[in-house]
Amino acid sequence: QQQVKQSPQSLIVQKGGISIINCAYENTAFDYFPWYQQFPGKGPALLIAIRPDVSEKKEGRFTISFNKSAKQFSLHIMDSQPGDSATYFCAATYSGTYKSIFGTGTRLKVLA
Amino acid sequence: DTEVTQTPKHLVMGMTNKKSLKCEQHMGHRAMYWYKQKAKKPPELMFVYSYEKLSINESVPSRFSPECPNSSLLNLHLHALQPEDSALYLCASSLGQGPKRETQYFGPGTRLLVL
Repeated sequence: QQQVKQSPQSLIVQKGGISIINCAYENTAFDYFPWYQQFPGKGPALLIAIRPDVSEKKEGRFTISFNKSAKQFSLHIMDSQPGDSATYFCAATYSGTYKSIFGTGTRLKVLA
Repeated sequence: DTEVTQTPKHLVMGMTNKKSLKCEQHMGHRAMYWYKQKAKKPPELMFVYSYEKLSINESVPSRFSPECPNSSLLNLHLHALQPEDSALYLCASSLGQGPKRETQYFGPGTRLLVL
């Protein structure tokens, strides 16, 4: 019940295309869902985050879609660029804990 | 300033050595974290300090010893490590826990190789 399932494991997208990464969770107590971007040899960097009281959040080319009833959330990268090539982790946490449950990661490669 | 700094960037140590990793933040965050990350895997939580007190220890072997000297500094002391402990060690910090306080900011990590 503490797992966050992330798919796909890897993704190849053409430049200008849309990259979509999906995550699913079981614990309905989760109330904060961040996405992290990690380049090789670097630490994860917060990309965008959402709470379950909204169904969508957009920041530039990055959008999170959230489906509370299905317990799923996804990251959409519009107009994907080669510089977006990185590993993306979804995560989930809830108030009253310091623990974040991370997804297994998606390695994105955007072809020039 | 949303920066978490870590030193050293790289560390090679033998199994009998004693070394320390250092993490620093000046964002006024009161929660600090140590994670271990193996290649192609998500970060694994090791320890959490909240207001300079150890809040979470995820059953980490005693050869890893955390220390929080003050609200801005976090150390990880290493002793008698095993080759399987080779990994990227990440430090993170957050304001605290709960709504609008839980966002974690990660440092660049220390790449550790145990020979």
